Amino acid sequence: GQNIDQPTEMTATEGAIVQINCTYQTSGFNGLFWYQQHAGEAPTFLSYNVLDGLEEKGRFSSFLSRSKGYSYLLLKELQMKDSASYLCAVNGGRRALTFGSGTRLQVQP
Amino acid sequence: EAEVAQSPRYKITEKSQAVAFWCDPISGHATLYWYRQILGQGPELLVQFQDESVVDDSQLPKDRFSAERLKGVDSTLKIQPAELGDSAMYLCASSLVGGSETQYFGPGTRLLVL
Repeated sequence: GQNIDQPTEMTATEGAIVQINCTYQTSGFNGLFWYQQHAGEAPTFLSYNVLDGLEEKGRFSSFLSRSKGYSYLLLKELQMKDSASYLCAVNGGRRALTFGSGTRLQVQP
Repeated sequence: EAEVAQSPRYKITEKSQAVAFWCDPISGHATLYWYRQILGQGPELLVQFQDESVVDDSQLPKDRFSAERLKGVDSTLKIQPAELGDSAMYLCASSLVGGSETQYFGPGTRLLVL
C-alpha cells in the first residue's frame, strides 16, 4: 500500500519563509511531485524530485531524502497569491500518482 | 502554451441521472488519467489510458462508471446512474508517457448531484 502524510493547514506571514513537509511510505518509488492548487482550480506542477537533494526553482525549492521517505517544499518571500493548497504526490512504481490530502497554506499580511 | 481541455466546467444533476465528462489532452501526450477529488482531499485515480488502452482501472466503480478513449486522443468519462456521493471535482491529466513523466491537469469538472 501507499501512505502519504502532510500537515492539514499552515499559516505564514507575507515575505516570510515556510516549509511544508511530506512523509511517504510506498511499495516502490519513481519520483515525488509537488503541485499547487488554488481553491476551485486544477493542480499545477511545481517540482519533481527523484534523487536525494535540493531542487531550486525561483522562490520554490523542494528537497528529497529517499532513505527517510521525506520531502519538503520551501517557499521563500511569501506573497499573498501563494495562499493555496500544496499537494505532495508520489509515483510509487505504478504509473499514476498517489496524492496526499494537501496542505492548505494561508498567507497573512 | 498547450493545455488540457475539459468540459463542462460545472454540472448539476439529480441522482439516478446520467452524466458525461469530456477531456482533450495536450497534443502528443500518450497517457491520459481521470482523477476524482473530494473537497479537502487529494486527487484519487479512477482510470489511466495509454493511447486507447486502459492500463489501470482498479479504482473505477465499474457498476456505474465507464471511460473510453476510442482513438487514443480525447476521452469521455460517464456515470450512470449518478449518486449523491459522486459529488466531487473530476480532473483529467495527461503526460507524454507514464511513469515519472510530469502530469498536467485540466481545469476539472465540478459535479454536484442533488
